[in-house]
Amino acid sequence: GAVVSQHPSRVICKSGTSVKIECRSLDFQATTMFWYRQFPKQSLMLMATSNEGSKATYEQGVEKDKFLINHASLTLSTLTVTSAHPEDSSFYICSARDPGVGGNTEAFFGQGTRLTVV
Amino acid sequence: SQKIEQNSEALNIQEGKTATLTCNYTNYSPAYLQWYRQDPGRGPVFLLLIRENEKEKRKERLKVTFDTTLKQSLFHITASQPADSATYLCALDTDKLIFGTGTRLQVFP
Repeated sequence: GAVVSQHPSRVICKSGTSVKIECRSLDFQATTMFWYRQFPKQSLMLMATSNEGSKATYEQGVEKDKFLINHASLTLSTLTVTSAHPEDSSFYICSARDPGVGGNTEAFFGQGTRLTVV
Repeated sequence: SQKIEQNSEALNIQEGKTATLTCNYTNYSPAYLQWYRQDPGRGPVFLLLIRENEKEKRKERLKVTFDTTLKQSLFHITASQPADSATYLCALDTDKLIFGTGTRLQVFP
């Protein structure tokens, strides 16, 4: 089946620095990718929709200047957490659907990135 | 406001029994609903998708129902096994997936 790969799986950074997370679709082209955040024992909260070649669409309450999304190619979306603070520590997960399959279909998720800001 | 609630945060059952998980939603009218399994520290994995005009969908030991009048989906795992222990998430499919609160299922031998 289709695979979405996310990197890194874990990252520890100092407060005030920026961290980039990559999400790649390995065997299909994804014009749209989704970024989620998950706090411990909570569900996935959609942060933004990443659109290839255009601006990302952010969910209400998500700061677009803090969470920069770039979808420069059909197989790569990146999420940059800028000026990270300890409260940004969370599990970040990306997902994509294979547009080659007609209709609404399953989403494929990356392995997730555990971000710890110290 | 829009809500997606899964009835219990945790569900403990004995091996061999049927686990039933509930997903209720308000203020949405999804054409599709999906169920995912998530293991600790991993991304969700797709299990089943059901359309609004389908009452029931089955896949091996899994069964999903979708009642658009009640705004509810039920997810059943029959003959449960310890390996079924995980968090199960329902997701409303409105071009983007909006996830429910999740239910942690623990199957005891």
